[in-house]
Parts: sequence; structure tokens; C-alpha cells
Amino acid sequence: AQTVTQSQPEMSVQEAETVTLSCTYDTSESDYYLFWYKQPPSRQMILVIRQEAYKQQNATENRFSVNFQKAAKSFSLKISDSQLGDAAMYFCAYKVTSGSRLTFGEGTQLTVNP
Amino acid sequence: DGGITQSPKYLFRKEGQNVTLSCEQNLNHDAMYWYRQDPGQGLRLIYYSQIVNDFQKGDIAEGYSVSREKKESFPLTVTSAQKNPTAFYLCASSITGLSTEAFFGQGTRLTVV
Repeated sequence: AQTVTQSQPEMSVQEAETVTLSCTYDTSESDYYLFWYKQPPSRQMILVIRQEAYKQQNATENRFSVNFQKAAKSFSLKISDSQLGDAAMYFCAYKVTSGSRLTFGEGTQLTVNP
Repeated sequence: DGGITQSPKYLFRKEGQNVTLSCEQNLNHDAMYWYRQDPGQGLRLIYYSQIVNDFQKGDIAEGYSVSREKKESFPLTVTSAQKNPTAFYLCASSITGLSTEAFFGQGTRLTVV
């Protein structure tokens, strides 16, 4: 079974600074997708960024970027120029290309200090 | 407006009673999911369905049941066999086999007293 592990239950960052959230996963598949979701206090899940495993180039969305290391099965999220609105729970997720099962990690609670 | 709707937002039940949580989507998505969220445990998969009249157990299916009679609907029943049913439940839907993201409902907070 696929597993997703986020080893940092909590992280904090100063406003305008950069923070990196870690995620590792375990799979025997070669084709899959990886996602980072954000869950603010409203508890509404919001997609932050996605990465296709077949793409070597790391995905970027404005201030959010990933470091995808396929061989190491690592998928970290970097948030640059952190803003107060970035404070939320962040979840890493995995989905195999050939199916629908979507597996999440335990989450990292990010605090942004003014 | 396309989206995924969960109802109700808050639900209270007495211990020993079955309760059904509603999830409806008008996104024409094939796949639908139910997750349970507890503090410090992330989102744990209860059941998912890739197609009408078919569904698979997730990691914590014991004490839960689902049906998928229509593409738009994926109700979750929390049975009296679920030992600790108080939790936040999230429903989601997605397109099968693509990198498009899953869309989530607003969630249902179930409290069993």
C-alpha cells in the first residue's frame, strides 16, 4: 500500500521568510501524481501545487515551489516570502496514475509570525 | 455553480444510532472519496469509488458503509459498530486517472454523545 509521511507536525516561519515542508512517500508505481493541499482554519481544502511524476521539472506556482526527488521518493514544498495568510495545515498527497485512490500524509501545521 | 456539497455541517447523534452523511457533486467526476480527520492524524481514507455501483475500502473502513447508486452521490453511513465516530468528515471528488486535483466539500462535524 502507498504511504505518505510528513515528519514535521508543526513548523513556524517569520513573515517574508522562506520555509520548506517535507514529505516522503512509499510506492512501487512509476507513474503517479503528487499534490500539496492547504487547509486554513475554515477547514476548506485548497490545492496549492501538483507534480506529475514523469516530469523532471519541479512545479512552481507563484511563491510556492516543490523539490521533487523521484529516486528518493521525496516531495518538499517551499514557500517563499511567507505571508500571514499562508498559516494553515498543509497536506501532502499521492495518487497513482492508473487509479483513483488518493492518499494523504498526516499534515504539517504552519504558523507565520509577524 | 459546480461543486461538491456536504450536509449537514454539524450533526449530533446518540451513541448506538446509525447516521448517514450526505455528499453530492455536480462536477461530473467519476471518483468520489470519504475521509475522516482527527487532530494530529491527517486525512484517513474511509472508502472511495471510481464508478457507479462500485467502491473500495480505504484504510479505516470498519464501522462505515457507503453506496454509489448515482454518479453524483456518495453517502456515508456511520454505523453503531464504529467505536469512536466523533470526527470531522470530508468528502471529495476527482477525475479518474488524471492529475487534476480532488475537490472537497465543506465537511461535516459529527458528534456522538
